[in-house]
Amino acid sequence: KQEVTQIPAALSVPEGENLVLNCSFTDSAIYNLQWFRQDPGKGLTSLLLIQSSQREQTSGRLNASLDKSSGRSTLYIAASQPGDSATYLCAVIAYNQGGKLIFGQGTELSVKP
Amino acid sequence: DGGITQSPKYLFRKEGQNVTLSCEQNLNHDAMYWYRQDPGQGLRLIYYSQIVNDFQKGDIAEGYSVSREKKESFPLTVTSAQKNPTAFYLCASSLATLGDTQYFGPGTRLTVL
Repeated sequence: KQEVTQIPAALSVPEGENLVLNCSFTDSAIYNLQWFRQDPGKGLTSLLLIQSSQREQTSGRLNASLDKSSGRSTLYIAASQPGDSATYLCAVIAYNQGGKLIFGQGTELSVKP
Repeated sequence: DGGITQSPKYLFRKEGQNVTLSCEQNLNHDAMYWYRQDPGQGLRLIYYSQIVNDFQKGDIAEGYSVSREKKESFPLTVTSAQKNPTAFYLCASSLATLGDTQYFGPGTRLTVL
């Protein structure tokens, strides 16, 4: 059964730092991997989607990488800003689980001015 | 203005009552989903529907029921059989089920008094 883990659970950094959020999954038979952002008490916003055949995706200051063989993905945030403070969730769609999104528990990021 | 709407934003329920959470989308998406989120945890799938008049149980369907009579609507009923219903409920939709980006509504916070 596919399991998704995110470490650390919480991260606090000063403004301007580059940072990396980690996501690992147990079964490499995935269709794709997505990174989401969630603000407190709000829904999820899709940030990046990486197909299983891709190695990385970029959007502005965000870069997500995927290494299927090691079961890992990273989300790199460049020049962090206080507005980046939120919870970041990764999720995979596994081939053998009916196309469902399977989520990690999230990393709560705080960027201090 | 396209998107997913959920109502109400906050809902309070007495022990033994059934309540229904609304989810509507005008994105012309075939697939819709209901997730539950508990503090410090990722999202868990309750039910999903790939097409009108059809739906499947997710990982935690016990104590919940759904209907899909119209393409744009996927209401969730939390029944009295759900032992611990206090949580944040998120609805999502996607063009199809396998591999497409899921778009999320703003959520409904349910509290049992």
